Parts: sequence; structure tokens; C-alpha cells
Amino acid sequence: GENVEQHPSTLSVQEGDSAVIKCTYSDSASNYFPWYKQELGKGPQLIIDIRSNVGEKKDQRIAVTLNKTAKHFSLHITETQPEDSAVYFCAASTASYDKVIFGPGTSLSVIP
Amino acid sequence: EAGVTQFPSHSVIEKGQTVTLRCDPISGHDNLYWYRRVMGKEIKFLLHFVKESKQDESGMPNNRFLAERTGGTYSTLKVQPAELEDSGVYFCASSPRGGGYYGYTFGSGTRLTVV
Repeated sequence: GENVEQHPSTLSVQEGDSAVIKCTYSDSASNYFPWYKQELGKGPQLIIDIRSNVGEKKDQRIAVTLNKTAKHFSLHITETQPEDSAVYFCAASTASYDKVIFGPGTSLSVIP
Repeated sequence: EAGVTQFPSHSVIEKGQTVTLRCDPISGHDNLYWYRRVMGKEIKFLLHFVKESKQDESGMPNNRFLAERTGGTYSTLKVQPAELEDSGVYFCASSPRGGGYYGYTFGSGTRLTVV
């Protein structure tokens, strides 16, 4: 089955700097890659996703890139703000899966 | 639109006791998922309902866990008897379509502590 790895497990950045979280997946059939943000006391919330027919997607200060050949995908947050502090999960799925497989999460701290 | 509701938000029980977690999905969402996060590890799949039917229960750890979805609406997850390793945060998610391909909406989770 699918296995998703995620690095780093913790990340601290100064406010205004960029943050990058990297993930790898094992199943070449995976074609959908969502990212979830979990704030303290809340459930994970979908913030951006990318499908395999696209190499990059951007939404304001966040962007995701996908390299299907290498089975890598990454989340980039620019101009970080304190409210970006949270746990971020990458995940992988296919249209034929009835479930999403998550990575172990990255705890991001943005220092004012 | 109301979100996914889970309760209780926290539960502390002794080893050997029974606990029942409840999830109310977004109205009209046929797909309901249970996940669990243990000790800061990945959010791990437990099972998937389509309406009242179990589509995939391959992630259920053992027969101490029993999930039901009455009439295709709310779902319950019962742990009986609870063991120490069952501690963690249990998340429920719902989706209008299956496959996780269209994004899940998660509830806030139930933090279960078994002592």
C-alpha cells in the first residue's frame, strides 16, 4: 500500500521568512496530493491540493510542487506569519482509493 | 452549513472500560471516515462508510473496535475493552464523494486517554 514520508518533523522560522515541507510517496498510482493544516484544538483543514496532471499550484502565500518522476511533492509558504504556526500534513490518494494516506506531520512555528 | 461534529471532545477512561465516540457528518455527505493519530505519528486510516455500509475497514486495529453508522447518518466508534495503546486523537471526516479525491472535512477530534 501507499506510504507517505514527511520532513522535517519540526520547523521554526522567523516571521517573514519562507518555510518548505517536503514529502515523498511510494505508490506510483497516486495522483492526488492534498495538504492539511491542523491548528491547536481543531481538526485538520484542507489548505491546498494538487493533482498529477499539474506540476505546480499557487494560492496567495502557499504553493505546492509535484515531481511525479521522483515521487516528491512539497509545500512552500512565503512571508510566514504567526498564524501560520500549526501542524501540516501532506497526503496522497488516487481516484480509485477510498481513503487518503497521510504523512506524520510537520510542526511549524513562526517566531514573531 | 454545519461542519463535522464529534463528541465528546475529551475522554479519560480506565483500561478495560468501554468508550463510545460519536461523529455527525455534514448533512448529505454519504462518505464518512474514521482516522486516528497516536503520539504525534501520522493520521492513520481506520475505516470508511458509504452511507450505512462499511466500504473499507482495513485499518481497524482489532476486534475491540466496532464502528456503526445508523441509517447512513451519524456514526459511532466503540472501543471495548480499552487498552493503553488505544490512547490518541480520533478524527472523523466526511466527503460528498469517495476516494478522498475531493477533499475531506474533518471534525475537531476526540482525544481519548486510557489510564
